[in-house]
Amino acid sequence: QKEVEQNSGPLSVPEGAIASLNCTYSDRGSQSFFWYRQYSGKSPELIMFIYSNGDKEDGRFTAQLNKASQYVSLLIRDSQPSDSATYLCAVVYGNKLVFGAGTILRVKS
Amino acid sequence: DAGITQSPRHKVTETGTPVTLRCHQTENHRYMYWYRQDPGHGLRLIHYSYGVKDTDKGEVSDGYSVSRSKTEDFLLTLESATSSQTSVYFCAISPRGDSYNEQFFGPGTRLTVL
Repeated sequence: QKEVEQNSGPLSVPEGAIASLNCTYSDRGSQSFFWYRQYSGKSPELIMFIYSNGDKEDGRFTAQLNKASQYVSLLIRDSQPSDSATYLCAVVYGNKLVFGAGTILRVKS
Repeated sequence: DAGITQSPRHKVTETGTPVTLRCHQTENHRYMYWYRQDPGHGLRLIHYSYGVKDTDKGEVSDGYSVSRSKTEDFLLTLESATSSQTSVYFCAISPRGDSYNEQFFGPGTRLTVL
């Protein structure tokens, strides 16, 4: 069983702070990792992908991948109330995406 | 929205009735997917397609069938709906479908089985 684990939260951070979201996965052979954002009642939206060990930055978002420890994280700098959503981690196993259950993020103004 | 539409967007039906959900894409992507999303479970793959008439099962395929007779349409059928199939159903497409499998989602269909 391919697994992707996330803390369900909610993770509460004040506006302007850094939000740190974490995800662990079970298969060392996985090559591709994605972060989706999902607002309540809406569909998941791809916000970051990472394939190589290390950090990848895109605006206020940084994805971090550590294949040896089998975890991937998402940092959101200068968090805004509009960042309040559920964040889904997804890992490719073979040619299929397996999703974690998601972490609820709440940014308080 | 990656040119993906789903219909209907909302449906209420009764146990034992057949239900068909439609996913339509405008970009001729080869790979299409059906997921269901339930609280505490995240998104789970039901079936996927890698071309016209080419489909395969996902993690939670029991009670569901699919068909793809045209590149742009991927249909999900519940032959005899049960209350356990009450869920939000998302269709997704992928330009690649390989190990770099970025997927983009449609707006979803909320299905209630009474």
